[in-house]
Amino acid sequence: GAVVSQHPSWVICKSGTSVKIECRSLDFQATTMFWYRQFPKQSLMLMATSNEGSKATYEQGVEKDKFLINHASLTLSTLTVTSAHPEDSSFYICSARDRDRVRYGYTFGSGTRLTVV
Amino acid sequence: GEDVEQSLFLSVREGDSSVINCTYTDSSSTYLYWYKQEPGAGLQLLTYIFSNMDMKQDQRLTVLLNKKDKHLSLRIADTQTGDSAIYFCAESMRRDDKIIFGKGTRLHILP
Repeated sequence: GAVVSQHPSWVICKSGTSVKIECRSLDFQATTMFWYRQFPKQSLMLMATSNEGSKATYEQGVEKDKFLINHASLTLSTLTVTSAHPEDSSFYICSARDRDRVRYGYTFGSGTRLTVV
Repeated sequence: GEDVEQSLFLSVREGDSSVINCTYTDSSSTYLYWYKQEPGAGLQLLTYIFSNMDMKQDQRLTVLLNKKDKHLSLRIADTQTGDSAIYFCAESMRRDDKIIFGKGTRLHILP
């Protein structure tokens, strides 16, 4: 079945540094990937839609200069949290869909827990 | 706007049935989903239902949809300890559209 690998699974960084999170579709090609953020005991909040070969579409209230998304290939999207601050600490999850198997829907990565100290 | 509501916590005895309820506001929602999230992990799609269906059954899982009331439920028969997780109700307008999630219901299994 479709597998989405997300890396790293957890990361601790210092305030002011940047962190890159990778979302990779292992056995399929994905033209669209979604990035979500999950706060403790809360739902997943959609941050942006990552489109291969074009700019990402950000949801209202999400700073695109802070959360940089790059979808340079059909199997990889990256989310870079720039100048991270403690309030950026969260669980980030990506999802991707096999462009050739639309009816199977989206597969989620296992998530990345970011802690900014 | 889009909104998905569900209760935050449910406690069930092992072997009993669990029923997790969800309401949504967007009447144009076409796909309704149930996802499962185990601690520290990503989301696993359990099942989904089209808005033109009333019920869908898959082994121990039964999904009921009341489109008039915009109410979706997930019934887990013979609940086991491995069912302990957070269950998210979600909806989207199209299969390739963004998915809007509820806050999740934490299912706790009592021995």
